[in-house]
Amino acid sequence: RKEVEQDPGPFNVPEGATVAFNCTYSNSASQSFFWYRQDCRKEPKLLMSVYSSGNEDGRFTAQLNRASQYISLLIRDSKLSDSATYLCVVRGSNYKLTFGKGTLLTVNP
Amino acid sequence: SAVISQKPSRDICQRGTSLTIQCQVDSQVTMMFWYRQQPGQSLTLIATANQGSEATYESGFVIDKFPISRPNLTFSTLTVSNMSPEDSSIYLCSVGVTNTGELFFGEGSRLTVL
Repeated sequence: RKEVEQDPGPFNVPEGATVAFNCTYSNSASQSFFWYRQDCRKEPKLLMSVYSSGNEDGRFTAQLNRASQYISLLIRDSKLSDSATYLCVVRGSNYKLTFGKGTLLTVNP
Repeated sequence: SAVISQKPSRDICQRGTSLTIQCQVDSQVTMMFWYRQQPGQSLTLIATANQGSEATYESGFVIDKFPISRPNLTFSTLTVSNMSPEDSSIYLCSVGVTNTGELFFGEGSRLTVL
């Protein structure tokens, strides 16, 4: 099983749609969880951290299920500017970050 | 946050040659990280560059192939030695925020080996 596994995608959605990405991780000792965003030919940038109680930042909602070792990201009311690759990232007890392969989202007008 | 400058931003190199990538941070940081992102793949950690000591390499990466320097708390270099086409990739320098785990990345160096 891969350390961090994401929906393969790609996702093509119309503007205004709601889209959800899923991610699973293999190491039950993982301590911190993140979603990063990577635009085409750009470096990854932190979108949001994922907390055990779930957290929301505007149109974005992240959830964590430690028992199932599962992380999700929900984007509501998609915008054209949301088009990017979304990377699920997990930090272990050694502070090392492990990245998923990413899920490509294209929001169409 | 941190501002990270990498150069070169891109290069095309011949097989068998070596390329050194530079990474400059606008603040002093204890650890700097070098990642590789091959086409269609996730980011893979190559090594952690520690100031004042040798870099710590991840499984599958060795110092002879990817020598790293860390002369001070704001600068590091990664050399890709004796390049082959399989080394064609984006190489990214990053620094971390210890308490949050967030990483800041440089813009990356896109390397093509012919």
